[in-house]
Amino acid sequence: DAKTTQPPSMDCAEGRAANLPCNHSTISGNEYVYWYRQIHSQGPQYIIHGLKNNETNEMASLIITEDRKSSTLILPHATLRDTAVYYCIPKGWGKLQFGAGTQVVVTP
Amino acid sequence: EAGVAQSPRYKIIEKRQSVAFWCNPISGHATLYWYQQILGQGPKLLIQFQNNGVVDDSQLPKDRFSAERLKGVDSTLKIQPAKLEDSAVYLCASSTPRGGEKLFFGSGTQLSVL
Repeated sequence: DAKTTQPPSMDCAEGRAANLPCNHSTISGNEYVYWYRQIHSQGPQYIIHGLKNNETNEMASLIITEDRKSSTLILPHATLRDTAVYYCIPKGWGKLQFGAGTQVVVTP
Repeated sequence: EAGVAQSPRYKIIEKRQSVAFWCNPISGHATLYWYQQILGQGPKLLIQFQNNGVVDDSQLPKDRFSAERLKGVDSTLKIQPAKLEDSAVYLCASSTPRGGEKLFFGSGTQLSVL
């Protein structure tokens, strides 16, 4: 499975877009990029996933670079409830493996 | 729909004691997972069931940890005897075979071993 690099922490102002980067330069062709988040004292929550095309759902947008070596999760209008640890996880046939993620703090 | 249910929410025991955690997955979800999350780290998969069969238990410390999923629905995870380093949150998750890796997690059981 590919290794990932995410910034350990990010701050974001409420109402602004939050752009969360993830580097996965060793991703292989059959690995999707999954994003989960974990709000304090809760289990992780699925956000979105993609292979090579950009994806959007009601929670977020996922932008994957053409070479698939990195991706960005976009929360279009961050709210205080978006404060959480965000995990970027490349996954093919193996298990879903969580790294340390990015702690995002949304401030008023 | 009801989510993944776990109990107890908190558990405090002394080292060398035994403890068990219970999980009820979302109805119809054939795949069930147990993860261990140590403070400050991401969750680590301990064991994965497909119905009542084990798919992956490569990271389960089998000398002290055991898990079962009778009848392919509820599951229990047991630690016997517990060590200090077992202090963690134990998370249960479930998914459908056609759901990819869209896992639904419970809120976990926070275990403190003193």
